[in-house]
Amino acid sequence: KNQVEQSPQSLIILEGKNCTLQCNYTVSPFSNLRWYKQDTGRGPVSLTIMTFSENTKSNGRYTATLDADTKQSSLHITASQLSDSASYICVVTTMYSGGGADGLTFGKGTHLIIQP
Amino acid sequence: EPEVTQTPSHQVTQMGQEVILRCVPISNHLYFYWYRQILGQKVEFLVSFYNNEISEKSEIFDDQFSVERPDGSNFTLKIRSTKLEDSAMYFCASSEPATNEKLFFGSGTQLSVL
Repeated sequence: KNQVEQSPQSLIILEGKNCTLQCNYTVSPFSNLRWYKQDTGRGPVSLTIMTFSENTKSNGRYTATLDADTKQSSLHITASQLSDSASYICVVTTMYSGGGADGLTFGKGTHLIIQP
Repeated sequence: EPEVTQTPSHQVTQMGQEVILRCVPISNHLYFYWYRQILGQKVEFLVSFYNNEISEKSEIFDDQFSVERPDGSNFTLKIRSTKLEDSAMYFCASSEPATNEKLFFGSGTQLSVL
């Protein structure tokens, strides 16, 4: 069964500090891995999409890594800001196209709180 | 950046009532989806829609649910007879038909069934 596990479940850090969120998956056949940011009461917003051949991708202060051999990904946030407070969701896509039940497997997310 | 818009943002209804959640996907997208997220839980897939028909649906999407694209812009989710356990945030999403396509989510409709 396809699964995505994220850790930690929640994290509190001080503004300006860095942090790393983890994602482990057992999804087959693998197509790509996505990180989404979800503000409270809002829809998820895409941060990065990485395919099998990519092992790092940056979007501003967000850097995602992917190790397809160990089936692990991380999202590193540099110099955190108060606006980074949100849930960060790891989503792994199989070779099936689209967003259907077999296409996307969602993690439960890491709830990140940035304190001033 | 283009947006998926959803209305209403909040909907309160009595158990057994019908509700219609509305979505306007991004104009050049061809795939449309509904997801839901129960408070504190992960996002769950409901249904995908392409070429005016359902292409895939989950076990959550039973006979009480239906989707429609009544015109060229709107995409609706109808729940015929709501249950308490239907209370959740419902997200519409759309994407282009390409490999590694980016999914764009709306801001959601918070449905509360009393």
